[in-house]
Amino acid sequence: EIVMTQSPATLSVSPGERATLSCRASQSVSSNLAWYQQKPGQAPRLLIYGASTRATGIPARFSGSGSGTEFTLTISSLQSEDFAVYYCQQYNNWPPMTFGGGTKVEIK
Amino acid sequence: QVQLVESGGGVVQPGGSLRLSCAASGFTFSSYGMHWVRQAPGKGLEWVAFIRYDGSNKYYADSVKGRFTISRDNSKNTLYLQMNSLRAEDTAVYYCAKDPGVVAAIGAFDIWGQGTMVTVSS
Repeated sequence: EIVMTQSPATLSVSPGERATLSCRASQSVSSNLAWYQQKPGQAPRLLIYGASTRATGIPARFSGSGSGTEFTLTISSLQSEDFAVYYCQQYNNWPPMTFGGGTKVEIK
Repeated sequence: QVQLVESGGGVVQPGGSLRLSCAASGFTFSSYGMHWVRQAPGKGLEWVAFIRYDGSNKYYADSVKGRFTISRDNSKNTLYLQMNSLRAEDTAVYYCAKDPGVVAAIGAFDIWGQGTMVTVSS
C-alpha cells in the first residue's frame, strides 16, 4: 500500500497571500495524483487530477505540480472561501486508493 | 445536474447490519465505476469499496473485506453498500463517489454525494 504524507498539517495564511501545500508518496505514483478540498460539514470536492489538471469549474488560482513522489498544490491568492482542509490521493496503484492525512488552511 | 444522494445511515449496535443506498442522476450511471469512501469523526478520508460499471469486478479495503458488500442496480441508477458485523471503528460518514473514467475506472473521485452517517454503538 502506498502511503501519502501531507505537510504541513496546518497552514496559517492571510487572505490574498499564496499558500503552498505538499504531498509525498512512499513510492512513485507517476502523475496519478488528485487533490480535494473539503469544507466543514461538506463532502470533498475534486480540485486537481493528473497532478496538474484542474477539474471542471475550479478557479485558475488553484494549480498542481509534481510527479513521481513529490507534489505541490498552490493557491495563488487565498480567498475567504478557500479556507478548508485539502487532501491528496494517489490512484496509480489501486486498490487501495490512498489519501494523505490532510492540510488545514486557516486564516492567519 | 449530476447528483449522488446517499441514504440508509443510522445508529446500529456492534455486530449489527445496515444497508446504504446511493441514488445517481444527471449522468449515465451504467457507464461508470462507483466507490464508497468513509470519514470517521474528525479524521481523514478512507476508501472503502469499488464496483466496476457493469458490476463484474469489486474491490474492498482490507478493513472491511468479508464484512461489507458493494453492489449496484443499473436499471435503478442505484449503488449499495451492505454492511455486516459492524464494529465501533466503522462509525463514519459514508460517501458514494463516481469514478471519472468511462467504462475503464481511473481510481479517482469526481462527484461525491453529501454523505450518510453510520454510528455503531451499544
